[in-house]
Amino acid sequence: EVHLVQSGAEVKKPGESLKISCQGSGYSFTSHWIGWVRQMPGKGLEWMGNIYPGDSDTRYSPSFQGQVTISADKSINTAYLQWSSLKASDTGIYYCARSVRCCGVTKWFDPWGQGTLVTVTS
Amino acid sequence: QSALTQPASVSGSPGQSITVSCTGTSSDIGGYDYVSWYQQHPGKAPKLLIYDVSNRPSGVSNRFSGSKSANTASLTISGLQAEDEANYYCSSYRTGNTVLFGGGTKLTVL
Repeated sequence: EVHLVQSGAEVKKPGESLKISCQGSGYSFTSHWIGWVRQMPGKGLEWMGNIYPGDSDTRYSPSFQGQVTISADKSINTAYLQWSSLKASDTGIYYCARSVRCCGVTKWFDPWGQGTLVTVTS
Repeated sequence: QSALTQPASVSGSPGQSITVSCTGTSSDIGGYDYVSWYQQHPGKAPKLLIYDVSNRPSGVSNRFSGSKSANTASLTISGLQAEDEANYYCSSYRTGNTVLFGGGTKLTVL
């Protein structure tokens, strides 16, 4: 069975850095894209970007380009989302999901990780 | 990037059918058959219900169906059950290698 397991909740101060993780199992991690999706408190879903762990090819949403960094370590089947300087507005739940792409197009996300709650507060 | 447009809420009684709409543009829903739908119960991760407009993954009830006409996609849930009460999100590829989600629709089962 395909599983994505994310790292635990984080509480950080504005200006701090953070790296959260997403470990895949039950499938060929290097052969499928992984996407990251943000859900701010009480709000909807926003696509942040995708990475192909096989060669670390990465695509970002224009809304998140330059704001976060997506990376992967294929030796341990893990993808990462990181911030160099957090803001209070980064508070939210961050989901990773296996991303199905074909012909240069991201088509859908399945399955999803359980989510990582990031709280940024002074 | 503007989100796809969904009604904030819909409701229905057990056994009834409801439809959730998702409106975009010719650069996303109207231009590609890459619409997907997700169900999210409170405090849980989203779950894929429909992909490529109208296809159901293995394990998803056939009470869920999807369709598309021009720039609007629709999710229909037939034979409403209490467990269907959740938030529903549409998603589509948009020209320029972007993925859009709708704002979400809260389904209340009366």
